[in-house]
Amino acid sequence: GIQVEQSPPDLILQEGANSTLRCNFSDSVNNLQWFHQNPWGQLINLFYIPSGTKQNGRLSATTVATERYSLLYISSSQTTDSGVYFCAVDGTGGFKTIFGAGTRLFVKA
Amino acid sequence: DADVTQTPRNRITKTGKRIMLECSQTKGHDRMYWYRQDPGLGLRLIYYSFDVKDINKGEISDGYSVSRQAQAKFSLSLESAIPNQTALYFCATSPGYSYEQYFGPGTRLTVT
Repeated sequence: GIQVEQSPPDLILQEGANSTLRCNFSDSVNNLQWFHQNPWGQLINLFYIPSGTKQNGRLSATTVATERYSLLYISSSQTTDSGVYFCAVDGTGGFKTIFGAGTRLFVKA
Repeated sequence: DADVTQTPRNRITKTGKRIMLECSQTKGHDRMYWYRQDPGLGLRLIYYSFDVKDINKGEISDGYSVSRQAQAKFSLSLESAIPNQTALYFCATSPGYSYEQYFGPGTRLTVT
């Protein structure tokens, strides 16, 4: 089945810093989503982005489907950005959402 | 009010007990999903349903069963709970025209 790898696994930032999180996938995908899991466990939709670029405030995402990766950019990080960021994909061989292991982000005040 | 709700939010049960986790949604979505998350890991799909009469196994369905009682309700059952089913369980929904998924708040289940 499709493999999803996220990097880095852990990231510590000073408040105000920028960061880039990466999601690599091993096969063609129909769908790709980015989620933020906050420290209370809630999963929050960030982007639905099977291809192209989207922006929402300080966050933006780019998916290059032909090269099998997606990037999540966080600018001017805030302590509330802390948590785990997941990439999830659906391969073209039928529905089956696969999650990456996540990037754990801690933003220091 | 939350669009996707899960009950209970926390549950401790003993090995061998039957337990049901419930999910309700007011988003009007046709598709519903159950996932489990183990500490430090991503989510894994247990079952999914694209409409009331359509139920499919996911990656890790062994030991679980589901019931889609209505468009808005999707229940997950553990017939005989075992300790390695201790996990955080999430319900999700998506509209019929998209696979973009929206998650409930999760149920923390502990099997002792």
